[in-house]
Amino acid sequence: GAVVSQHPSRVICKSGTSVKIECRSLDFQATTMFWYRQFPKQSLMLMATSNEGSKATYEQGVEKDKFLINHASLTLSTLTVTSAHPEDSSFYICSARVRTSGGAEQFFGPGTRLTVL
Amino acid sequence: GQSLEQPSEVTAVEGAIVQINCTYQTSGFYGLSWYQQHDGGAPTFLSYNALDGLEETGRFSSFLSRSDSYGYLLLQELQMKDSASYFCAVLYNFNKFYFGSGTKLNVKP
Repeated sequence: GAVVSQHPSRVICKSGTSVKIECRSLDFQATTMFWYRQFPKQSLMLMATSNEGSKATYEQGVEKDKFLINHASLTLSTLTVTSAHPEDSSFYICSARVRTSGGAEQFFGPGTRLTVL
Repeated sequence: GQSLEQPSEVTAVEGAIVQINCTYQTSGFYGLSWYQQHDGGAPTFLSYNALDGLEETGRFSSFLSRSDSYGYLLLQELQMKDSASYFCAVLYNFNKFYFGSGTKLNVKP
């Protein structure tokens, strides 16, 4: 199956700093990647859809100036949390959708746990 | 908008069969997926149904009824390692997934 990696897996930072999270599709080209956020014991919330070579599409309520997304190539999308605050502490997960003959599968990266002190 | 309902928690014993239901309301519906997530891990894909009926993959089966806006995940021959959270997710507008709140499955010996 398709493999998606994320780096780093865990990051702790001070309030006010910026953190960059990378999402890579390792064995396929992903024209579209997705960024989710998951708070403890809650569901995954779609933050934005990342399209290669164009601007990301953000979901309602997600600040695009705070969560900068760049999809520079068919295998790499990055999420930068700018001026992070403790309330940004969460599990950030990227995914890529792969179209199959049967429909659609979405493969997730292993996630990045962000802790802002 | 989208909404999904699934039970918050289910408990079953090893070797048993358990069914996790999911009802949804959405516009632009394309299909229903199921994902498994262990504590601290990322979701892993289990199944995707675009058409009505039952899809079987090993011990897991998934069902969809588009007319009833309803689906379920059936887990057979439960094992301890099946203890996890299970999320249903609707694919809408062709490219986006909206996740339910998840069902925590507790498998007991």
